[in-house]
Amino acid sequence: DIQMTQSPSTLSASVGDRVTITCRASQSISSWLAWYQQKPGKAPKFLIYKASSLQSGVPSRFSGSGSGTEFTLTISSLQPDDFATYYCQQYNSGVMYIFGQGTKVELK
Amino acid sequence: EVQLVESGGGLVKPGGSLRLSCAASGFTFTNTWMSWVRQAPGKGLEWVGRIKSKIDGETTEYAAPVKGRFTISRDDSKNTLYLQMNSLETEDTAMYYCVTGAYEGFDIWGQGTKVTISS
Repeated sequence: DIQMTQSPSTLSASVGDRVTITCRASQSISSWLAWYQQKPGKAPKFLIYKASSLQSGVPSRFSGSGSGTEFTLTISSLQPDDFATYYCQQYNSGVMYIFGQGTKVELK
Repeated sequence: EVQLVESGGGLVKPGGSLRLSCAASGFTFTNTWMSWVRQAPGKGLEWVGRIKSKIDGETTEYAAPVKGRFTISRDDSKNTLYLQMNSLETEDTAMYYCVTGAYEGFDIWGQGTKVTISS
């Protein structure tokens, strides 16, 4: 089975920082990777699809990159609204949809 | 307004059954692949299962932990998705979300319905 490993589990940062979260797949998933943001008590929000395409309405400070087995989510300048937990998720026709374990971005 | 509204959650004893519903509005439900995603308290997201649109065969797939116990169905005439959950276990305790999406990710999420399995 494909495993998705996110790092770090927790990230401490300040407003204005550049933040990078990594997601690694145990085998190639091409570009079938999405990113989500979740705030406490709320449903996740869809940020990025196909590794690097920004969902409509998502601020341009969010970007995604990568293909194959290594992917990154970058927030170019962290804003107060961005403190949340972020999940990657892959689609694989054999194993269907697998989420990473999440990365919590907290205030330093 | 694009919306998914889940209902049917509650407290059930281990071994019991529950049926969740998800009412969709604001988009063409008939053409949309739908999934259920759950989140146990304090834990991450877990995909539960998916149903394709009727035109794509209305086939279903399930995650290993629920296969054989959960059944996803849809009623396109009512714009409603269902999750029938049988032989419930304490590990099924979670918030259950109804979501839209196929290959590229889940773009629309409901607010979730809470399921608690406890004696």
